[in-house]
Amino acid sequence: KAGVTQTPRYLIKTRGQQVTLSCSPISGHRSVSWYQQTPGQGLQFLFEYFSETQRNKGNFPGRFSGRQFSNSRSEMNVSTLELGDSALYLCASSLALGLAGGTDTQYFGPGTRLTVL
Amino acid sequence: AQSVTQLDSHVSVSEGTPVLLRCNYSSSYSPSLFWYVQHPNKGLQLLLKYTSAATLVKGINGFEAEFKKSETSFHLTKPSAHMSDAAEYFCVVMTRGDKIIFGKGTRLHILP
Repeated sequence: KAGVTQTPRYLIKTRGQQVTLSCSPISGHRSVSWYQQTPGQGLQFLFEYFSETQRNKGNFPGRFSGRQFSNSRSEMNVSTLELGDSALYLCASSLALGLAGGTDTQYFGPGTRLTVL
Repeated sequence: AQSVTQLDSHVSVSEGTPVLLRCNYSSSYSPSLFWYVQHPNKGLQLLLKYTSAATLVKGINGFEAEFKKSETSFHLTKPSAHMSDAAEYFCVVMTRGDKIIFGKGTRLHILP
């Protein structure tokens, strides 16, 4: 079974631009979560989607948004990029509810490394 | 509220010697606990998980962890380190209906 895939793997943007990252979960997984990883803050939870609905949200500004499609694929969007948004963005999928309703194991993708200049 | 503390940001061991990565947690409910490993430029890979079954959990690559409720600890161990174990390790706590919390990570260095 194929793992979680994320595209693109690397991205360079400038301040003020917006970016969209994509995540395809493991086949059959319905929950997708997004995380930001930086050297200073470590791994931080962004949000979780299940059945096209956002079920949980971390403490990030409204510039960070996401959505999930009917095939469980998810996209994350960051608008008005700031230098501090430079990070590795990880996507994880799980079989059922993940954070919101249970403790299913999450499987992570390789991440998208975003650099904001 | 829940939290997780990885007591060492860096650990260095010689190849062939035991590994101990320490993790303490705080949780209002019975937690599920995980250890993930992240190799350079890679995503996170699940090593093992505790979900209120056996307190000694065996994972992949010879790693294991013991859940000690009295000490609120979930330390990761391996009897004999291998060069390929060099990576960053994350202790994670999850409770039902709450947000996942990652530890800050412990970078494991293996000395030849």
